Amino acid sequence: GEDVEQSLFLSVREGDSSVINCTYTDSSSTYLYWYKQEPGAGLQLLTYIFSNMDMKQDQRLTVLLNKKDKHLSLRIADTQTGDSAIYFCAEIKGSARQLTFGSGTQLTVLP
Amino acid sequence: DADVTQTPRNRITKTGKRIMLECSQTKGHDRMYWYRQDPGLGLRLIYYSFDVKDINKGEISDGYSVSRQAQAKFSLSLESAIPNQTALYFCATSDSGQGAPYNEQFFGPGTRLTVL
Repeated sequence: GEDVEQSLFLSVREGDSSVINCTYTDSSSTYLYWYKQEPGAGLQLLTYIFSNMDMKQDQRLTVLLNKKDKHLSLRIADTQTGDSAIYFCAEIKGSARQLTFGSGTQLTVLP
Repeated sequence: DADVTQTPRNRITKTGKRIMLECSQTKGHDRMYWYRQDPGLGLRLIYYSFDVKDINKGEISDGYSVSRQAQAKFSLSLESAIPNQTALYFCATSDSGQGAPYNEQFFGPGTRLTVL
């Protein structure tokens, strides 16, 4: 996952917005993803964005894609304690269309 | 019932032992994957299989082998375990069909392996 970069930790207050950032490497990636890992569980797809889009909104989640800078962000509005988890950015790479994951960002929501 | 199951969920073993981790899925997916997760490194792909007769090495396959016994089963073996293989191991599946254009992967709950 070293080619996809994320900061390791983020802390926010309950009710604030959280923004998790990611830089990726493959400009030909057709889809970019955000996966969520809750404690003691596997990863679950949270949302994804197609590469011809700049923004995708889904309830409290907003994904922004800047293809020129290869930058992806996930904004969580009105962050709740249940949003505490590790969030992974991922891109599709290579002819076999494998997922490459970032290191994950541990989001901690403080009361 | 979970769609992707892994056994065992936890395992402690000694250096040099042979270990097999098993994965089963009821999703009917053709593609299966094995990853390991280490703190600060995210998930790294060990092996993947696009169907029963198709096995491919991932980013970190050295020291591991796999077997795709059936479409629903994909096992990971450590022939001679070493301490730096201590990690959390995840199995995942995906569907290559037209109804899944964005290649979502579905993950099992993970196996925590400790090699002493």
